[in-house]
Amino acid sequence: LAKTTQPISMDSYEGQEVNITCSHNNIATNDYITWYQQFPSQGPRFIIQGYKTKVTNEVASLFIPADRKSSTLSLPRVSLSDTAVYYCLVASNRDDKIIFGKGTRLHILP
Amino acid sequence: DTGVSQDPRHKITKRGQNVTFRCDPISEHNRLYWYRQTLGQGPEFLTYFQNEAQLEKSRLLSDRFSAERPKGSFSTLEIQRTEQGDSAMYLCASSSPSSGRGEQYFGPGTRLTVT
Repeated sequence: LAKTTQPISMDSYEGQEVNITCSHNNIATNDYITWYQQFPSQGPRFIIQGYKTKVTNEVASLFIPADRKSSTLSLPRVSLSDTAVYYCLVASNRDDKIIFGKGTRLHILP
Repeated sequence: DTGVSQDPRHKITKRGQNVTFRCDPISEHNRLYWYRQTLGQGPEFLTYFQNEAQLEKSRLLSDRFSAERPKGSFSTLEIQRTEQGDSAMYLCASSSPSSGRGEQYFGPGTRLTVT
């Protein structure tokens, strides 16, 4: 599984768009990029997953450049309730095994 | 069935005691995972079942830890002779064959405190 690198923490303000970038230089052809969100004292929650270009759902957008060595999670118009830890992961399409890093602690300010 | 459930949510035990946790996955999910998470860290993989077969165990899973999934439905994680270093959040997750690629659904976790 490819190792991922993401910022340890970020601050933003309510109503802003937040972009969290993750690098995964050793991503393999069969790998997908997956993001999870975790609130304190809760289990992680699957947010979004993609292979290339752009994926959008009701929660976020995921941008993946052509070389796939990085990805950006975009959260539109954040609110205080988006304060959480966000994990970027790489997973093979052959199985579900995932390895968590320390994630990015996102703190939304009023 | 709205999600993965875990029981108990909190457990306080004295060092040396045995504890057992239960996980009920989403009903149609055949894969089940256990993780351990300590403060400030991401979840660490412990073990993985596909149906009733335990397919992989992390080296973090010492001999004091054992996990079962006897009928391919719920799973139990037992820790024998608990140590203070076992204090952590124990998370269970499940996934279906049609998801793959790291899409797992997590329960709320069991927080273990060993005194």
